[in-house]
Amino acid sequence: EIVLTQSPGTLSLSPGERATLSCRASQRVTSAYFAWYHQRPGQAPRLLLYGTSKRATGIPDRFSGSGSGTDFTLTISRVEPEDLGVYYCQQYVASLWTFGQGTKVEIK
Amino acid sequence: QVQLVQSGAEMKKPGSSVTVSCKPSGGSFDSYTFAWVRQAPGQGLEWMGRIIAIVGITTYAQKFQGRVTITADKSTSTAYMDLERLTSDDTATYYCAAAGANSDSLDFWGQGTLVTVSS
Repeated sequence: EIVLTQSPGTLSLSPGERATLSCRASQRVTSAYFAWYHQRPGQAPRLLLYGTSKRATGIPDRFSGSGSGTDFTLTISRVEPEDLGVYYCQQYVASLWTFGQGTKVEIK
Repeated sequence: QVQLVQSGAEMKKPGSSVTVSCKPSGGSFDSYTFAWVRQAPGQGLEWMGRIIAIVGITTYAQKFQGRVTITADKSTSTAYMDLERLTSDDTATYYCAAAGANSDSLDFWGQGTLVTVSS
C-alpha cells in the first residue's frame, strides 16, 4: 500500500500570501492518478485538482499543482479567507485509493 | 452538477451493523464508480472501498476486508455501504463519493452520514 505523507501539518498565512503544500509518496505514483481535495470546516471534501495539475470545475486559477514520481506540490498563489480548511492529497493505483493525512491551512 | 444524497444519521450498538445509502441526482448511474470514505471525529479521510457501478466490481481497503460490503442497485440507482461488527472506533462520518466516467478522482461527494457507535 502506498503511504502519502503531507507537510507541513499546519500552515498559518495572511490573505495574499503564497501557500506551498507538499505530499510525498512511499512509492512512485502515476501523475495521472494524483489529486488534491479541500475540506472546509463542517463540510464534505471537494475535488481541487486531478491528474496532478488539472483544476476541477469551478476551481480558481490561484490553485496549481505540480510534481511527479514521489513528490507533489499544491500551490495557492494568493491565499484568500475562503481557502481555510484542510487539504488532502490522494493517489490511485491498482484499484486502491489512499489519502494523505492532511495539511491544515489557517488564515490570520 | 451531480449531487449525491446520503441517508440520515445512525446510532448503533457495538457488534451491530449499519447500512448507508447514496443516491445520485443527475447523470447516468452506470457511468459512476462509487467510493466510500470515512472520517473519524477530528481525523483525516480514510478510503474504505469502491464499486464500479456498471459491472458491480468491488475493491476494498485491506483494513476493512471481510467487514464491509459495497453494492450498487441499478434498479433504484442507489449505492450502499454495509459495515458489520461495529465498535466505538467506527464512530465517524461516512462519505459517499463518485468518480465520473473515465475519471480516477472523486469528482462528487455526498453530504456525509454520521454513524455513532455506543452502548
